[in-house]
Amino acid sequence: GAGVSQTPSNKVTEKGKYVELRCDPISGHTALYWYRQSLGQGPEFLIYFQGTGAADDSGLPNDRFFAVRPEGSVSTLKIQRTERGDSAVYLCASSAGLAGGPEQFFGPGTRLTVL
Amino acid sequence: AQTVTQSQPEMSVQEAETVTLSCTYDTSENNYYLFWYKQPPSRQMILVIRQEAYKQQNATENRFSVNFQKAAKSFSLKISDSQLGDTAMYFCAFMITGTYKYIFGTGTRLKVLA
Repeated sequence: GAGVSQTPSNKVTEKGKYVELRCDPISGHTALYWYRQSLGQGPEFLIYFQGTGAADDSGLPNDRFFAVRPEGSVSTLKIQRTERGDSAVYLCASSAGLAGGPEQFFGPGTRLTVL
Repeated sequence: AQTVTQSQPEMSVQEAETVTLSCTYDTSENNYYLFWYKQPPSRQMILVIRQEAYKQQNATENRFSVNFQKAAKSFSLKISDSQLGDTAMYFCAFMITGTYKYIFGTGTRLKVLA
C-alpha cells in the first residue's frame, strides 16, 4: 500500500487477555518502529527493527510486551496478560532505515482499551 | 537523558494570522535531527518539517518555518497564513543521529479560528 497500515484500528479487551497488534509498513522500508501514545502525551518509543531483527528494544516496558518481524516486512506487537494501564494508542512507523533519511512515516495507530 | 519540552499545551490563532509554537530540548549530543509532526483527529502523524543540527540555515516548507537556535536548544515552529486545516496537535521530536528513535514532547493543541 501507499502508507503504513495498522490493524485493528480499535481493540477492546479484558484485563488479563492476550492481544496482537499488526503493522504493515511502506513497501521497501527496512526499518520499523513501535511507539505507545497515552492520553494527553506524546508518543513513547517501544522498539525498532532493522530488517528482521530488533535493533533496539529498550522502550519495551516489561516482559509482557514482545514484538516480531519474521520476514522483514509486517510486524506484530504482542501483549500478554493485559493490564488497564496498557490502554493507549499504539503507533507504528517505518523508514528507509540505514539507506535513507531520518524521517519516519506513521500509521493511524491502534487504540487499545483494556477493561 | 534527552528530553523535549513543549510549554504551550494549547494555542489558538485566527485564520490567516501567524502563530509560533515553542519547543526546547536537552541533550549533550552534537549530531541530531529535530522534527515537527502534526497529528489531526484521525491520529495519523504527518511530518511538517525537519532540521539537521549541523545546518545553520532554518528549514522552510511553504507556510511552515522553524527558528533553530542550537546554543539555546530551541526549535520553534512558525505557521504563516494559518488555515482551518492546520487545526491539530503538533509534536516536536528529537532524534540522535544513528539511534533511529524519536523522543517526543507532550504536544501543543492548535486551534485555528474562522
